[in-house]
Amino acid sequence: AQSVSQHNHHVILSEAASLELGCNYSYGGTVNLFWYVQYPGQHLQLLLKYFSGDPLVKGIKGFEAEFIKSKFSFNLRKPSVQWSDTAEYFCAVKRRRALTFGSGTRLQVQP
Amino acid sequence: DAGVTQSPTHLIKTRGQQVTLRCSPKSGHDTVSWYQQALGQGPQFIFQYYEEEERQRGNFPDRFSGHQFPNYSSELNVNALLLGDSALYLCASSPKLGVAGGEFFGPGTRLTVL
Repeated sequence: AQSVSQHNHHVILSEAASLELGCNYSYGGTVNLFWYVQYPGQHLQLLLKYFSGDPLVKGIKGFEAEFIKSKFSFNLRKPSVQWSDTAEYFCAVKRRRALTFGSGTRLQVQP
Repeated sequence: DAGVTQSPTHLIKTRGQQVTLRCSPKSGHDTVSWYQQALGQGPQFIFQYYEEEERQRGNFPDRFSGHQFPNYSSELNVNALLLGDSALYLCASSPKLGVAGGEFFGPGTRLTVL
């Protein structure tokens, strides 16, 4: 069965630090990849997505992610985090019609 | 432009009861998917509706059923509630089976089963 692994469950950073959240998936065929964010008290929002083409994709709020097919990875990055980036981040894979989510990474940014 | 809306916001039921949750998709979207998010976990796919038919189903028992109406809104029904059904239930919508992109999520319904 298809699975998505997010290895960092809880990350604490200071403002201006760089961020990289890991995501690996198990399915070897064609997949669509997503990162969603859930800010405190808000609903899930799409940060960015990869369907095909340039493996480096840019999303909202300065986030980007790199698809590395050989490593089955889709890591999320941001050069300099802000306190407002405190949230839970979910990596997801879509094959056919359903999204399969990782268990999430809680990011806490300290001012 | 209203996004995905869900009702009710919170719900408390007892074991063995039945519950119905409702969802209105984002304007222009015709496909609705339901997800269950247990505490501390990522959402898990329950099923997807398009053109009033269930198109795909996740690994959930038959106690979970749904319906889509001609106006694309949808209901999730859960029968014979168990304590383990306590979770946040998310509705997501997309255009045309979600082939073209990601799904838009609603705020969820928090179900507590006592």
